[in-house]
Amino acid sequence: DQQVKQNSPSLSVQEGRISILNCDYTNSMFDYFLWYKKYPAEGPTFLISISSIKDKNEDGRFTVFLNKSAKHLSLHIVPSQPGDSAVYFCAAYLTGTASKLTFGTGTRLQVTL
Amino acid sequence: KAGVTQTPRYLIKTRGQQVTLSCSPISGHRSVSWYQQTPGQGLQFLFEYFSETQRNKGNFPGRFSGRQFSNSRSEMNVSTLELGDSALYLCASSLGPTGGNTEAFFGQGTRLTVV
Repeated sequence: DQQVKQNSPSLSVQEGRISILNCDYTNSMFDYFLWYKKYPAEGPTFLISISSIKDKNEDGRFTVFLNKSAKHLSLHIVPSQPGDSAVYFCAAYLTGTASKLTFGTGTRLQVTL
Repeated sequence: KAGVTQTPRYLIKTRGQQVTLSCSPISGHRSVSWYQQTPGQGLQFLFEYFSETQRNKGNFPGRFSGRQFSNSRSEMNVSTLELGDSALYLCASSLGPTGGNTEAFFGQGTRLTVV
């Protein structure tokens, strides 16, 4: 049972444009969400996170939006750069109970020139 | 400050054998989690250790086991290897249990191929 889903396996965006990566979850108990970026042959790198008490968190070019009623979060990258080309994973966890990360299957972002 | 170190980076084993993977967390980090990454499945949680105690376990068979030493280094063992165990095994370390504001830092992973 995939509790965190990334329905788009790949996304192609032109350099300078906005990249929007989406993630849906089914477990309403999740109260913290994260995005990780992964290059080939490297481990995932933490990008940005958001607590369920917020609906937006911004860090430079990266913004994460959370819509709890829709159980949906998205990562916006503006402007997109070629170095952003990687696989992006969203992850979620419950604090205070099973504090383990549940990951989505990833979206491969390709930023073209 | 050294990052998370996983050894070996690559491993080829035969079906039925057993394997041990090692993870050295960032200095000062006491929590180590293990994940399995396979195509189409994303990263799946195996188990988490904190202060030498297993805190959480994912939905994997008993052939998958782990332990953590007093210096926070962790090992993962897979016995009676199956072809389906071929995957990238990732280790993540954090100051405390994964969660809260304690960001998890990942190693480069061990690529296990079972033939």
